[in-house]
Amino acid sequence: GAVVSQHPSWVICKSGTSVKIECRSLDFQATTMFWYRQFPKQSLMLMATSNEGSKATYEQGVEKDKFLINHASLTLSTLTVTSAHPEDSSFYICSATPFGQDYNEQFFGPGTRLTVL
Amino acid sequence: AQTVTQSQPEMSVQEAETVTLSCTYDTSESDYYLFWYKQPPSRQMILVIRQEAYKQQNATENRFSVNFQKAAKSFSLKISDSQLGDAAMYFCAYRGSGGSNYKLTFGKGTLLTVNP
Repeated sequence: GAVVSQHPSWVICKSGTSVKIECRSLDFQATTMFWYRQFPKQSLMLMATSNEGSKATYEQGVEKDKFLINHASLTLSTLTVTSAHPEDSSFYICSATPFGQDYNEQFFGPGTRLTVL
Repeated sequence: AQTVTQSQPEMSVQEAETVTLSCTYDTSESDYYLFWYKQPPSRQMILVIRQEAYKQQNATENRFSVNFQKAAKSFSLKISDSQLGDAAMYFCAYRGSGGSNYKLTFGKGTLLTVNP
């Protein structure tokens, strides 16, 4: 149980285009979903926290207009990288927290590798 | 703001031996959660072990155990009988307990190599 999927797993796009990444909780409803960014050989950097039906809370320094987050249901959150540029190339990971857990463990998706040419 | 420090960028261990990864953290909260995550080359984050700060007993999960020193704000991970499959990046993480503050703060990670 507690499986989180991401789609696509790898995407290559041209500079200036927009890319959407989906994060789904497959067997549970997620109170909260998180989006992280990870550069090679570095740690995970939290980009934003999203709750179903409300606006995402972005971390300081993360451009809200560039990284659009939509949490339309209790099982789906999307991250759209708008007008992508080569510096946006990175590994993006989502995680989800199920309802009702007393320790609110985060379950992680397998990640999406974005390459912007 | 909470911070998590992993002072060992890289560690190596011989197969079947024991290794300890260090983690310290800074917080003003009295109740919180600590985690160790493993990230193998596939980059899938895997929870290794968790510790609730209010519990004095150190958590254990099979070959993995922690040494939680609350006063010293230290949370080290011991891996016993190391196996080749333990080779990965290991991240220590902190999470507060208050309200909707479910955010995880990660350390920079320790890359563990297991030598056959």
